[in-house]
Amino acid sequence: GAVVSQHPSWVICKSGTSVKIECRSLDFQATTMFWYRQFPKQSLMLMATSNEGSKATYEQGVEKDKFLINHASLTLSTLTVTSAHPEDSSFYICSARELLYNEQFFGPGTRLTVL
Amino acid sequence: DQQVKQNSPSLSVQEGRISILNCDYTNSMFDYFLWYKKYPAEGPTFLISISSIKDKNEDGRFTVFLNKSAKHLSLHIVPSQPGDSAVYFCAASTGTASKLTFGTGTRLQVTL
Repeated sequence: GAVVSQHPSWVICKSGTSVKIECRSLDFQATTMFWYRQFPKQSLMLMATSNEGSKATYEQGVEKDKFLINHASLTLSTLTVTSAHPEDSSFYICSARELLYNEQFFGPGTRLTVL
Repeated sequence: DQQVKQNSPSLSVQEGRISILNCDYTNSMFDYFLWYKKYPAEGPTFLISISSIKDKNEDGRFTVFLNKSAKHLSLHIVPSQPGDSAVYFCAASTGTASKLTFGTGTRLQVTL
């Protein structure tokens, strides 16, 4: 089956610093990647949708200048949390979809803790 | 505005019995529904899906039922196994290729 990886799996950073999270599709080309955030005991909330080579589409209420998304290749998308604050601490999950298929394949997630 | 709801945050079922997980939605434009299984600190794993043109889809021990008039779907797992213990999310979309809206999840515990 299709495999999506995320790196790092967990990260702890100081308030005010920026953190980059990578999402890779390992055995398929992902024309579309999605970034989700999950707070404890809550649902997965879609943050943004990115298509390779174009700007990401952000969901309402998500600050595009704070959560920078780059989808420069068909196998890699990155999410950069800029000037992170403790309220940004969450579980960030990416998913990837191949052009000809509808199913989204999810990465294992990244636990971000901002001190 | 939670468009997809799972009103039972947790469910405990004995091994070998049937597990029934429920999901309700409010957006009548949703026409494609999915169930995912998720372990802590891992991404969701796809289980089964159903299109609005059907009212039932079966895959091994997993069956999903869709009641469009009630805007309700359910996932049946039979027989339940201890390895089924996880959080189950239902998700919905308009069309098979659009973004997913997830429910709040139900934690299933299958006891021996």
